[in-house]
Amino acid sequence: DAGVIQSPRHEVTEMGQEVTLRCKPISGHNSLFWYRQTMMRGLELLIYFNNNVPIDDSGMPEDRFSAKMPNASFSTLKIQPSEPRDSAVYFCASSYAGRNTGELFFGEGSRLTVL
Amino acid sequence: GDSVTQMEGPVTLSEEAFLTINCTYTATGYPSLFWYVQYPGEGLQLLLKATKADDKGSNKGFEATYRKETTSFHLEKGSVQVSDSAVYFCALIKAAGNKLTFGGGTRVLVKP
Repeated sequence: DAGVIQSPRHEVTEMGQEVTLRCKPISGHNSLFWYRQTMMRGLELLIYFNNNVPIDDSGMPEDRFSAKMPNASFSTLKIQPSEPRDSAVYFCASSYAGRNTGELFFGEGSRLTVL
Repeated sequence: GDSVTQMEGPVTLSEEAFLTINCTYTATGYPSLFWYVQYPGEGLQLLLKATKADDKGSNKGFEATYRKETTSFHLEKGSVQVSDSAVYFCALIKAAGNKLTFGGGTRVLVKP
C-alpha cells in the first residue's frame, strides 16, 4: 500500500520565484495536513483539510502561501513569491478522521531552498 | 491553549544505555497522547500512543505511560541501539479533535 507521496523531494529556487509542492494522500484518508519544519521553529502546522475543505489555515504564515485540495487524492501548497526565509522541509500528512484519531501518516517531505 | 513540553536535546547515549525523554502536557479534558519518531531524512511516524489515564503504550522496546496526575507521558527504552538515533516528538490530540499538538522534538544520538 503506497504511503503519502510528495513531490518534489528537493527544490532549489531563487527568491521571487513561484514554488508548488504536491501531495498525494493515502487512498481512503479524508484529512490532509501541511507542516513546515525548520531548525528554529520546529514543526509547524500550516493548514489542514477535512473532506477536501480547508478547516484551519491559521498557521499559514502570510498571503504568499496558499493551499488547495481539488479532490481527495491531490493537494498543493504554493508559495508566491518565495523568500529565503521560506527555506524548510515541508511535510504532507494524511489520516482518516474518526478512526485511530491522532495517527497521521507523513510523507518523506519536500526540502525547499530559496536562494 | 493546549501545549506539549519536551526536554531539549540533543541527548547523546552509548549503545545499550537507558533512555528517558520527558514530556509534559497542558490540555483541558482527556486528550490522547502520542510519541512520533523521525529518522534522518524521513517523515514522522507513529511510535506509540495511549488514549486514557494509566494506559501504557509500547512499541519496538519503547514504552510510555499516560499519567494524568502529573500530566506526563515520558518515553523510555531500556537498551538503546544505534538505529534508535532519531528525533522524538511528543504530541496530544483532544477527544473528537483532528489536530495534533506537537512538542518541540528531542534529538537522540546513540553512539556505538
